[in-house]
Amino acid sequence: SQELEQSPQSLIVQEGKNLTINCTSSKTLYGLYWYKQKYGEGLIFLMMLQKGGEEKSHEKITAKLDEKKQQSSLHITASQPSHAGIYLCGADGNAGNMLTFGGGTRLMVKP
Amino acid sequence: EPEVTQTPSHQVTQMGQEVILRCVPISNHLYFYWYRQILGQKVEFLVSFYNNEISEKSEIFDDQFSVERPDGSNFTLKIRSTKLEDSAMYFCASSPARQNTEAFFGQGTRLTVV
Repeated sequence: SQELEQSPQSLIVQEGKNLTINCTSSKTLYGLYWYKQKYGEGLIFLMMLQKGGEEKSHEKITAKLDEKKQQSSLHITASQPSHAGIYLCGADGNAGNMLTFGGGTRLMVKP
Repeated sequence: EPEVTQTPSHQVTQMGQEVILRCVPISNHLYFYWYRQILGQKVEFLVSFYNNEISEKSEIFDDQFSVERPDGSNFTLKIRSTKLEDSAMYFCASSPARQNTEAFFGQGTRLTVV
């Protein structure tokens, strides 16, 4: 079965700083999804990556999938308190859209 | 913006009781899912549902669980004879296609078994 490992598990940054979260898969990724979860709430879709080397950006968040399609990174530029939450990476199973999730990265942004 | 809605937001039940968690997926979506997240643990896939039948299920989804789409809009998860370890946040999700598309998640139902 596919396993996703996220690092770091938690992160505290000062407002305005950049940060990177990593997601490493035990198998080739067919589709890699980034979601954000606020404590006790649902998952909010951020981005989906499919092709090796693909990079997508939305506002101050950029996600990349490496050429070998086994690792993805999420980069936040000039972090704000609104970026605080738990960031989850999820991977498509090759048989369908059942997602396997990483353990999450808990981000706190200090004003 | 269309969204997946789940009810109730919180449910407390006694061990051994049956519970039904309800979800209204996005109206033009065809694939429906249940996930759960035990406090402090990963979000885990339970089951996917398409064309009125289960398409995939995980090892967690044993005979204690069942899903149903009773009326063309609701999608329910029934847990029979609840156990303490069933306490978790249960998320419903829906998507328009099977692969290569985002799944939209509801806000979750927090189930506490006492």
